[in-house]
Amino acid sequence: EPEVTQTPSHQVTQMGQEVILRCVPISNHLYFYWYRQILGQKVEFLVSFYNNEISEKSEIFDDQFSVERPDGSNFTLKIRSTKLEDSAMYFCASRGLAGDRSYEQYFGPGTRLTVT
Amino acid sequence: AQSVAQPEDQVNVAEGNPLTVKCTYSVSGNPYLFWYVQYPNRGLQFLLKYITGDNLVKGSYGFEAEFNKSQTSFHLKKPSALVSDSALYFCAVRDRFEFLDTGTASKLTFGTGTRLQVTL
Repeated sequence: EPEVTQTPSHQVTQMGQEVILRCVPISNHLYFYWYRQILGQKVEFLVSFYNNEISEKSEIFDDQFSVERPDGSNFTLKIRSTKLEDSAMYFCASRGLAGDRSYEQYFGPGTRLTVT
Repeated sequence: AQSVAQPEDQVNVAEGNPLTVKCTYSVSGNPYLFWYVQYPNRGLQFLLKYITGDNLVKGSYGFEAEFNKSQTSFHLKKPSALVSDSALYFCAVRDRFEFLDTGTASKLTFGTGTRLQVTL
């Protein structure tokens, strides 16, 4: 069964450093998402992406964040200058075919980002 | 704005007994509703969804959920719990309306999660 993959599984970085989190969505999916989950809290939407453009972003997704689909398979989340409060589990998700609003989103296993 | 409430932080049930994990939602239009499960150190796995039609929907691993429009609820149920069902369960909602040409308004809003503990 196809699945969303994410690398690395755990990233430790120092405050102020740039990090790139990588995701490979399911191959025929068209809509892509990033969510995050701060330890012990709920899963929060960050950004959605379709047709090489951001569709929607939350107030969390400020100028320090960016997303990119550099080739036909990868979908990346970049945090330009990490802050302590960026420490969280980051989930990538993808959704299927155009024209069907009802498709569920499939989530990757997550990248745990620890900012020290 | 859309929101989800999961009023119980934890639900404890004995193996073999029925289980219910509660969820209520708020959305401006008509909802699409989802349940996801998260096992330790794993991502979110899709369990089931309500889109339209029969209010009782069946999903993976013997789980089902009942959509109740008047009570704006979508409780997760299973007739007979297993120890292996112990995990964190998230309810999620999104509005049916979406700009399909951009994907705008397709985000999921999650509840805070309910930890299900099934014991022998």
